[in-house]
Amino acid sequence: AQTVTQSQPEMSVQEAETVTLSCTYDTSENNYYLFWYKQPPSRQMILVIRQEAYKQQNATENRFSVNFQKAAKSFSLKISDSQLGDTAMYFCAFMKRNGNTGKLIFGQGTTLQVKP
Amino acid sequence: ETGVTQSPTHLIKTRGQQVTLRCSSQSGHNTVSWYQQALGQGPQFIFQYYREEENGRGNFPPRFSGLQFPNYSSELNVNALELDDSALYLCASSPEPGAGTQYFGPGTRLLVL
Repeated sequence: AQTVTQSQPEMSVQEAETVTLSCTYDTSENNYYLFWYKQPPSRQMILVIRQEAYKQQNATENRFSVNFQKAAKSFSLKISDSQLGDTAMYFCAFMKRNGNTGKLIFGQGTTLQVKP
Repeated sequence: ETGVTQSPTHLIKTRGQQVTLRCSSQSGHNTVSWYQQALGQGPQFIFQYYREEENGRGNFPPRFSGLQFPNYSSELNVNALELDDSALYLCASSPEPGAGTQYFGPGTRLLVL
């Protein structure tokens, strides 16, 4: 069974600074997706970034980038130039690719506070 | 393009009652997944529906059941509510079951007293 672990329950960063959120996972699969989702206090889960395991290049989306280390089963999220609107709970998630069921397995989440 | 919508936004029920939650998937998506998110926790997969059939289920008892309709909207039904069923219920839609990205609705907050 796959598991996802986020070891940082809470983090804070000053506005305009850079912060890195950690995520590790355990799987015997070779073909899968990894995601970071953001859940603001308004509670709607929003996709931040997605990585396909077969791609060696790390995904980037504007101020958001990942450091994907497949052998180490590590998938960290870097937020550059942090903004107040980045304050939210962040979830790392795993999905087996090409499975019959696209089931997301989530970590416990990291609450990020961006301070002015 | 219309996003995923859910109704109602909040609901209060008493133990032993039954509840139905509703979800409209994003346009063009034929797959709907339901998740339960306890306070301060990550979402847990309940089940998925694809083309009106259940297409995978998590570790939830049979009193959690669902439906998907021809327009790909979906319902989550929970019978014999228990206090531990209090949670945020999230619906997510995707173009295909294993297509990768799932798009979430705003959720329904259920409180069982």
